[in-house]
Amino acid sequence: QVQLVQSGAEVKKPGASVKVSCKASGYTFTSYYMHWVRQAPGQGLEWMGIINPSGGSTSYAQKFQGRVTMTRDTSTSTVYMELSSLRSEDTAVYYCARAPQHLDAFDIWGQGTMVTVSS
Amino acid sequence: SSELTQDPAVSVALGQTVRITCQGDSLRSYYASWYQQKPGQAPVLVIYGKNNRPSGIPDRFSGSSSGNTASLTITGAQAEDEADYYCNSRDSSGNPRVFGTGTKVTVL
Repeated sequence: QVQLVQSGAEVKKPGASVKVSCKASGYTFTSYYMHWVRQAPGQGLEWMGIINPSGGSTSYAQKFQGRVTMTRDTSTSTVYMELSSLRSEDTAVYYCARAPQHLDAFDIWGQGTMVTVSS
Repeated sequence: SSELTQDPAVSVALGQTVRITCQGDSLRSYYASWYQQKPGQAPVLVIYGKNNRPSGIPDRFSGSSSGNTASLTITGAQAEDEADYYCNSRDSSGNPRVFGTGTKVTVL
């Protein structure tokens, strides 16, 4: 079945970087854009950016420009989200979500990865 | 930055109808999609496009749009519909996507 499986929880110190992976299965990886969304504890959903797994092109939310990098590995059907210069406010659950162009919506979500930033 | 505004919380009696709204300038040009999120779980798509439900979503969920406002209606709310609901749309001010502020639905 179609699924997105994310990497496990991370604990990082302020100023460090974190790289979260999202492995896709059950569909043609390069045919669907992938988005990253985060949710701080007790807060709402926040859109971070998008990657086209086919060509690797990306677009990031203005808030994260310069700190986030999204990449993909087509050989393993995996997308990655790296966030640098971490601060306590980056403590959140990070989700990857698939977005078929014909739906213009996020139809499949990963299970989420908790990233805790603490000294 | 562009925003999508939702009421923070609404309540509905079991079996009654509740409408959740999402307001924003980008909704004049783009449809909203709607997501249900229960505690400790990833969001689930419930409505997309003009008024489309993914497979497995009950037909008590419906969507509509007028001007700068998109709406999600639950007709005959069930106890399992108690959750947070978020709208999402394209953004007209620089970011490709934006989420609404979220609405907590309580079923009484």
